[in-house]
Amino acid sequence: EIVMTQSPATLSVSPGERATLSCRASQSVSSNLAWYQQKPGQAPRLLIYGASTRATGIPARFSGSGSGTEFTLTISSLQSEDFAVYYCQQYNNWWTFGQGTRVEIK
Amino acid sequence: VQLVESGGGLVQPGRSLRLSCAASGFTFEDHVMHWVRQAPGKGLEWVSGISWKSGSIGYADSVKGRFSISRDNAKNSLYLQMNSLRVEDTAFYYCARGISYQGPALFDPWGQGTLVTVSS
Repeated sequence: EIVMTQSPATLSVSPGERATLSCRASQSVSSNLAWYQQKPGQAPRLLIYGASTRATGIPARFSGSGSGTEFTLTISSLQSEDFAVYYCQQYNNWWTFGQGTRVEIK
Repeated sequence: VQLVESGGGLVQPGRSLRLSCAASGFTFEDHVMHWVRQAPGKGLEWVSGISWKSGSIGYADSVKGRFSISRDNAKNSLYLQMNSLRVEDTAFYYCARGISYQGPALFDPWGQGTLVTVSS
């Protein structure tokens, strides 16, 4: 099983600031890496697939990068609606998720 | 595109429960479908997936031998039969569509989830 490790567990950021979230895979997943956003009481929503492609309707302030085992999700200027938990997922070999990064208001 | 789960509730350890997922807004029979769960306050865990015509099925080791996934394409519905339930199966269970945008398939969208609580 491919283990996905996210860091940090919690990120405190002020509105308008940049947030950088990291995700590491225990073995290469190529570019088969997705990011999901989950708000309280809601289902996860797809943000990024193919490591760097925004899903339909996702604002340009969200960007993804990386390949192989190291990946990053960047939110360029945090809006109030962006405070949530973010999960990375590899879909190269079955499907496994990171434990999540909570982005909270500083 | 909409996925609506139902069938969750409170059940005693060792008992059974059947979850359903009603799909609409897309051609259901063209997509692999999945169940993913999330224990309250915890992360996400893939549970099971089923191919278009049920020819290929997979399970997480944590549920293998106890859970059974199925689908009815005529009814645009996905099911999860959960037997021998354990306290650690307590979670929100989400139905998700498998879709390939580039490369292998991932999950998009997800239903709103149904809560299964296993407790005596």
